Amino acid sequence: QVQLVQSGAEVKKPGASVKVSCKASGFTFTGYFMHWVRQAPGQGLEWMGWINPNSGGTNYAQKFLGRVTMTRDTSISTAFMELNNLRSDDTAVYYCARQGTLNYFDPWGQGTLVTVSS
Amino acid sequence: EIVLTQSPGTLSLSPGERATLSCRASQSVSSSYLAWYQQKPGQAPRLIIYGASSRATGIPDRFSGSGSGTDFSLTISRLEPEDFAVYYCQQYGSSPPYTFGQGTKLEIK
Repeated sequence: QVQLVQSGAEVKKPGASVKVSCKASGFTFTGYFMHWVRQAPGQGLEWMGWINPNSGGTNYAQKFLGRVTMTRDTSISTAFMELNNLRSDDTAVYYCARQGTLNYFDPWGQGTLVTVSS
Repeated sequence: EIVLTQSPGTLSLSPGERATLSCRASQSVSSSYLAWYQQKPGQAPRLIIYGASSRATGIPDRFSGSGSGTDFSLTISRLEPEDFAVYYCQQYGSSPPYTFGQGTKLEIK
């Protein structure tokens, strides 16, 4: 079945970087854009950007420009999201999600909790 | 930037009742690009409705979406216990490309 499986929880110190992975299965990885969305504790959903796994092209939300890098490894059907210079307000659950034909997100990964704390 | 405002913030209803959730956009949104998601505690969001009115795979027909332009709604005709969750609307536009509403919490009365 179509599935996205993310890497495990991370604890980082302010100023550090984190790299979250998202392994796809059950579909052609290079055939669908992959998005990253985050959710701070008790808050709503915030779109971070997308990567085209076929070309490697990316589009990042303005808020994250200069701090986020999205990459992929097609040999293992995995997308990655790296966030640099972490701050306490980057503490959130980070989700990957596959883009559907009408720009909806389905399915979603199970989420990766990133905690930024000194 | 297109802002999506969902109302009410919290909706308290009983199983068997009808729920109507609203999503209002600050500018006109193409109906093709309006989606609704359900999120339960500790879980990832789940697609419920796409294209404003099309049910996602496996979603029961008690869920329906409607609307156009700036006003959209999600209706659950008869609430089941498993329907109590937080619901988000989402749109795809120009800049920024993707935005979400702040969510409506549907709780058991």
